[in-house]
Amino acid sequence: GAGVSQTPSNKVTEKGKYVELRCDPISGHTALYWYRQSLGQGPEFLIYFQGTGAADDSGLPNDRFFAVRPEGSVSTLKIQRTERGDSAVYLCASSLILGDTQYFGPGTRLTVL
Amino acid sequence: DQQVKQNSPSLSVQEGRISILNCDYTNSMFDYFLWYKKYPAEGPTFLISISSIKDKNEDGRFTVFLNKSAKHLSLHIVPSQPGDSAVYFCAAPWAGSYQLTFGKGTKLSVIP
Repeated sequence: GAGVSQTPSNKVTEKGKYVELRCDPISGHTALYWYRQSLGQGPEFLIYFQGTGAADDSGLPNDRFFAVRPEGSVSTLKIQRTERGDSAVYLCASSLILGDTQYFGPGTRLTVL
Repeated sequence: DQQVKQNSPSLSVQEGRISILNCDYTNSMFDYFLWYKKYPAEGPTFLISISSIKDKNEDGRFTVFLNKSAKHLSLHIVPSQPGDSAVYFCAAPWAGSYQLTFGKGTKLSVIP
């Protein structure tokens, strides 16, 4: 079956702009997670959802970052007033239920100029 | 403060030999560990896991060993194959949550 998909695969934007990154989880997976991976680092947790609600958003770095999952499937990560330090690969993962194995998408490479 | 540490950024191994990737952790509350493999331009792929009630878990060519007293785990790949060349991440779920804490990764190169 289809895995986790993320769009766009690459996004280049200018400092100060707004960006949206989309994640389509594996069909039937109720839990969805966002991570960010900077160069030379492992993925760092941002937020996860159980259904439509954000169950843990403790990893979001500041209030410029926001994520939604309005219908319990597709999720969008939104970044306002982007900064150069936001440049990273943004990874999405899903699992059948919370605590189950997380399956990752290919990521969106965000570059802020 | 890194709670999951992979101190070797890279490792080169001859095809057919054993690859040993190491991971140390500082938080004694971690009770479950996972290894992910990542190819360039792809997301991490789950490889194998181990619960703290075990000291070994095996799946084909991959075996993970856990030493709780030393807060150390290792992934053994035997025999190593060129297709195993990738970055390997050690990870653990944060206590009381389902977020994964990852190490920085070890890049394995298997030389034909």
